[in-house]
Amino acid sequence: DQQVKQNSPSLSVQEGRISILNCDYTNSMFDYFLWYKKYPAEGPTFLISISSIKDKNEDGRFTVFLNKSAKHLSLHIVPSQPGDSAVYFCAVILQGGSEKLVFGKGTKLTVNP
Amino acid sequence: GAGVSQSPSNKVTEKGKDVELRCDPISGHTALYWYRQSLGQGLEFLIYFQGNSAPDKSGLPSDRFSAERTGGSVSTLTIQRTQQEDSAVYLCASRRGGLETQYFGPGTRLLVL
Repeated sequence: DQQVKQNSPSLSVQEGRISILNCDYTNSMFDYFLWYKKYPAEGPTFLISISSIKDKNEDGRFTVFLNKSAKHLSLHIVPSQPGDSAVYFCAVILQGGSEKLVFGKGTKLTVNP
Repeated sequence: GAGVSQSPSNKVTEKGKDVELRCDPISGHTALYWYRQSLGQGLEFLIYFQGNSAPDKSGLPSDRFSAERTGGSVSTLTIQRTQQEDSAVYLCASRRGGLETQYFGPGTRLLVL
Protein backbone atom coordinates (compact mmCIF):
# COMPACT_ATOMS: atom_id res chain seq x y z
CA ASP A 1 0.00 0.00 0.00
CA GLN A 2 1.44 3.34 -1.06
CA GLN A 3 2.31 5.62 1.82
CA VAL A 4 2.99 8.61 -0.44
CA LYS A 5 0.74 9.29 -3.41
CA GLN A 6 1.14 11.62 -6.32
CA ASN A 7 -2.07 11.14 -8.24
CA SER A 8 -1.16 13.24 -11.27
CA PRO A 9 1.44 11.51 -13.44
CA SER A 10 1.86 14.63 -15.57
CA LEU A 11 1.19 18.35 -15.62
CA SER A 12 1.59 20.88 -18.40
CA VAL A 13 1.69 24.66 -17.84
CA GLN A 14 2.61 27.76 -19.78
CA GLU A 15 5.80 29.64 -19.04
CA GLY A 16 5.18 32.39 -16.50
CA ARG A 17 2.15 30.69 -14.96
CA ILE A 18 1.96 28.85 -11.65
CA SER A 19 2.67 25.13 -11.41
CA ILE A 20 1.00 23.27 -8.55
CA LEU A 21 2.13 19.73 -7.78
CA ASN A 22 0.21 17.73 -5.22
CA CYS A 23 1.07 14.93 -2.83
CA ASP A 24 -0.97 12.96 -0.29
CA TYR A 25 0.32 10.74 2.49
CA THR A 26 -1.32 8.16 4.68
CA ASN A 27 0.49 8.25 8.01
CA SER A 28 -0.16 11.19 10.32
CA MET A 29 3.07 10.34 12.15
CA PHE A 30 5.17 11.50 9.23
CA ASP A 31 6.84 14.74 10.23
CA TYR A 32 9.37 15.74 7.57
CA PHE A 33 8.55 16.15 3.91
CA LEU A 34 10.70 16.86 0.88
CA TRP A 35 10.45 17.54 -2.82
CA TYR A 36 13.06 16.26 -5.23
CA LYS A 37 13.43 17.15 -8.90
CA LYS A 38 14.76 14.71 -11.47
CA TYR A 39 15.99 15.35 -14.98
CA PRO A 40 16.38 12.43 -17.43
CA ALA A 41 19.55 10.38 -16.94
CA GLU A 42 20.35 12.21 -13.69
CA GLY A 43 19.76 11.41 -10.05
CA PRO A 44 17.11 13.28 -8.07
CA THR A 45 18.20 16.60 -6.60
CA PHE A 46 16.80 18.06 -3.42
CA LEU A 47 14.54 21.04 -3.97
CA ILE A 48 12.77 22.07 -0.79
CA SER A 49 11.55 20.57 2.48
CA ILE A 50 9.10 21.28 5.28
CA SER A 51 8.75 20.12 8.83
CA SER A 52 5.37 19.28 10.30
CA ILE A 53 5.66 22.19 12.73
CA LYS A 54 5.25 24.54 9.78
CA ASP A 55 2.55 24.95 7.18
CA LYS A 56 4.59 26.84 4.60
CA ASN A 57 8.19 27.06 3.46
CA GLU A 58 9.36 29.35 0.70
CA ASP A 59 12.58 29.41 -1.30
CA GLY A 60 12.62 31.78 -4.22
CA ARG A 61 10.11 30.65 -6.83
CA PHE A 62 9.34 27.48 -4.89
CA THR A 63 6.88 27.23 -2.00
CA VAL A 64 5.74 24.09 -0.23
CA PHE A 65 2.47 24.06 1.68
CA LEU A 66 1.57 21.45 4.27
CA ASN A 67 -1.98 20.67 5.40
CA LYS A 68 -1.59 18.20 8.23
CA SER A 69 -5.29 17.66 8.84
CA ALA A 70 -5.75 16.67 5.21
CA LYS A 71 -2.39 14.83 5.07
CA HIS A 72 -1.63 16.80 1.94
CA LEU A 73 1.26 18.85 0.69
CA SER A 74 1.76 20.83 -2.46
CA LEU A 75 4.63 22.46 -4.30
CA HIS A 76 4.01 25.77 -6.03
CA ILE A 77 6.38 27.08 -8.66
CA VAL A 78 5.81 30.64 -9.74
CA PRO A 79 6.60 31.86 -12.28
CA SER A 80 7.22 28.56 -14.06
CA GLN A 81 10.14 28.40 -16.46
CA PRO A 82 10.93 25.90 -19.25
CA GLY A 83 13.97 24.77 -17.25
CA ASP A 84 11.61 23.59 -14.53
CA SER A 85 10.46 20.79 -16.84
CA ALA A 86 11.36 17.61 -14.94
CA VAL A 87 9.85 14.85 -12.83
CA TYR A 88 9.03 16.00 -9.30
CA PHE A 89 8.99 13.50 -6.47
CA CYS A 90 7.36 14.01 -3.10
CA ALA A 91 9.07 12.14 -0.27
CA VAL A 92 8.82 11.65 3.47
CA ILE A 93 11.55 10.67 5.89
CA LEU A 94 10.89 7.70 8.12
CA GLN A 95 12.72 8.78 11.27
CA GLY A 96 14.03 6.76 14.15
CA GLY A 97 16.41 4.56 12.27
CA SER A 98 17.73 4.78 8.78
CA GLU A 99 15.93 8.01 7.92
CA LYS A 100 15.19 6.41 4.58
CA LEU A 101 13.12 8.30 2.07
CA VAL A 102 9.73 7.01 0.97
CA PHE A 103 8.86 8.44 -2.42
CA GLY A 104 5.75 9.00 -4.44
CA LYS A 105 5.70 7.90 -8.07
CA GLY A 106 6.43 11.38 -9.35
CA THR A 107 4.73 13.99 -11.50
CA LYS A 108 6.22 14.95 -14.84
CA LEU A 109 6.02 18.71 -15.25
CA THR A 110 6.28 20.27 -18.70
CA VAL A 111 6.57 24.04 -18.92
CA ASN A 112 5.82 25.23 -22.42
CA PRO A 113 7.53 28.38 -23.76
CA GLY B 1 34.22 15.55 -8.49
CA ALA B 2 32.29 16.43 -5.38
CA GLY B 3 29.17 14.43 -6.11
CA VAL B 4 28.07 10.83 -5.74
CA SER B 5 29.35 8.73 -8.62
CA GLN B 6 28.07 5.40 -9.85
CA SER B 7 29.36 2.86 -12.32
CA PRO B 8 28.57 1.57 -14.80
CA SER B 9 26.06 4.08 -16.09
CA ASN B 10 24.36 1.37 -18.14
CA LYS B 11 24.46 -2.41 -17.87
CA VAL B 12 22.84 -4.96 -20.14
CA THR B 13 22.96 -8.55 -18.98
CA GLU B 14 21.36 -11.87 -19.68
CA LYS B 15 18.88 -13.49 -17.36
CA GLY B 16 20.65 -15.65 -14.81
CA LYS B 17 23.93 -13.74 -14.79
CA ASP B 18 25.29 -11.88 -11.75
CA VAL B 19 25.89 -8.12 -11.81
CA GLU B 20 27.79 -5.71 -9.57
CA LEU B 21 26.94 -2.04 -9.31
CA ARG B 22 29.31 0.43 -7.69
CA CYS B 23 28.74 3.62 -5.73
CA ASP B 24 31.31 6.19 -4.61
CA PRO B 25 29.65 8.47 -2.03
CA ILE B 26 30.60 12.05 -1.25
CA SER B 27 33.73 12.13 0.88
CA GLY B 28 32.90 12.42 4.56
CA HIS B 29 29.32 11.23 4.20
CA THR B 30 28.72 8.49 6.73
CA ALA B 31 25.32 7.34 5.51
CA LEU B 32 24.82 5.54 2.20
CA TYR B 33 21.59 4.34 0.62
CA TRP B 34 20.62 2.24 -2.38
CA TYR B 35 17.27 2.80 -4.08
CA ARG B 36 15.84 1.54 -7.32
CA GLN B 37 13.30 2.98 -9.71
CA SER B 38 11.40 0.55 -11.87
CA LEU B 39 9.53 1.77 -14.94
CA GLY B 40 6.59 3.95 -13.94
CA GLN B 41 7.34 3.62 -10.24
CA GLY B 42 8.73 5.85 -7.56
CA LEU B 43 12.06 5.27 -5.94
CA GLU B 44 12.09 2.19 -3.73
CA PHE B 45 14.45 1.90 -0.75
CA LEU B 46 16.75 -1.13 -0.82
CA ILE B 47 19.46 -0.87 1.84
CA TYR B 48 21.13 1.62 4.20
CA PHE B 49 24.64 1.79 5.66
CA GLN B 50 25.66 4.03 8.54
CA GLY B 51 29.24 3.93 9.75
CA ASN B 52 30.09 0.60 11.34
CA SER B 53 26.51 -0.20 12.31
CA ALA B 54 24.70 -3.22 10.91
CA PRO B 55 23.05 -2.23 7.63
CA ASP B 56 19.28 -1.85 7.31
CA LYS B 57 18.48 -4.47 4.67
CA SER B 58 14.73 -4.26 5.04
CA GLY B 59 14.17 -3.08 1.47
CA LEU B 60 16.03 -5.82 -0.36
CA PRO B 61 13.43 -7.65 -2.49
CA SER B 62 15.00 -11.11 -2.32
CA ASP B 63 18.09 -12.97 -1.14
CA ARG B 64 19.53 -12.57 -4.64
CA PHE B 65 20.30 -8.98 -3.65
CA SER B 66 23.21 -8.09 -1.38
CA ALA B 67 25.38 -5.08 -0.74
CA GLU B 68 28.53 -4.24 1.08
CA ARG B 69 30.34 -1.09 2.00
CA THR B 70 34.09 -1.34 2.36
CA GLY B 71 36.02 0.98 4.64
CA GLY B 72 32.98 3.16 5.21
CA SER B 73 33.22 4.52 1.69
CA VAL B 74 32.63 2.67 -1.59
CA SER B 75 29.61 0.40 -1.81
CA THR B 76 28.80 -2.47 -4.16
CA LEU B 77 25.30 -3.77 -4.83
CA THR B 78 25.31 -7.33 -6.16
CA ILE B 79 22.38 -9.02 -7.86
CA GLN B 80 22.78 -12.75 -8.36
CA ARG B 81 20.95 -14.78 -11.00
CA THR B 82 19.33 -11.69 -12.46
CA GLN B 83 15.69 -11.78 -13.55
CA GLN B 84 13.89 -9.56 -16.05
CA GLU B 85 11.97 -7.88 -13.23
CA ASP B 86 15.31 -6.64 -11.86
CA SER B 87 15.50 -4.21 -14.80
CA ALA B 88 15.45 -0.74 -13.27
CA VAL B 89 17.56 2.31 -12.51
CA TYR B 90 19.60 1.69 -9.37
CA LEU B 91 20.38 4.89 -7.48
CA CYS B 92 22.85 5.47 -4.71
CA ALA B 93 22.62 8.36 -2.26
CA SER B 94 24.76 9.59 0.60
CA ARG B 95 24.33 12.09 3.41
CA ARG B 96 26.44 13.50 6.17
CA GLY B 97 24.14 12.76 9.07
CA GLY B 98 20.88 13.45 10.85
CA LEU B 99 18.23 15.03 8.69
CA GLU B 100 20.80 16.28 6.23
CA THR B 101 19.89 16.15 2.59
CA GLN B 102 20.50 12.92 0.71
CA TYR B 103 22.57 13.49 -2.41
CA PHE B 104 21.93 11.11 -5.28
CA GLY B 105 24.24 9.74 -7.93
CA PRO B 106 23.18 9.56 -11.59
CA GLY B 107 22.18 5.92 -11.30
CA THR B 108 22.95 2.70 -13.12
CA ARG B 109 20.37 1.66 -15.69
CA LEU B 110 20.17 -2.14 -15.62
CA LEU B 111 18.49 -4.09 -18.39
CA VAL B 112 18.07 -7.84 -18.00
CA LEU B 113 17.29 -9.59 -21.26
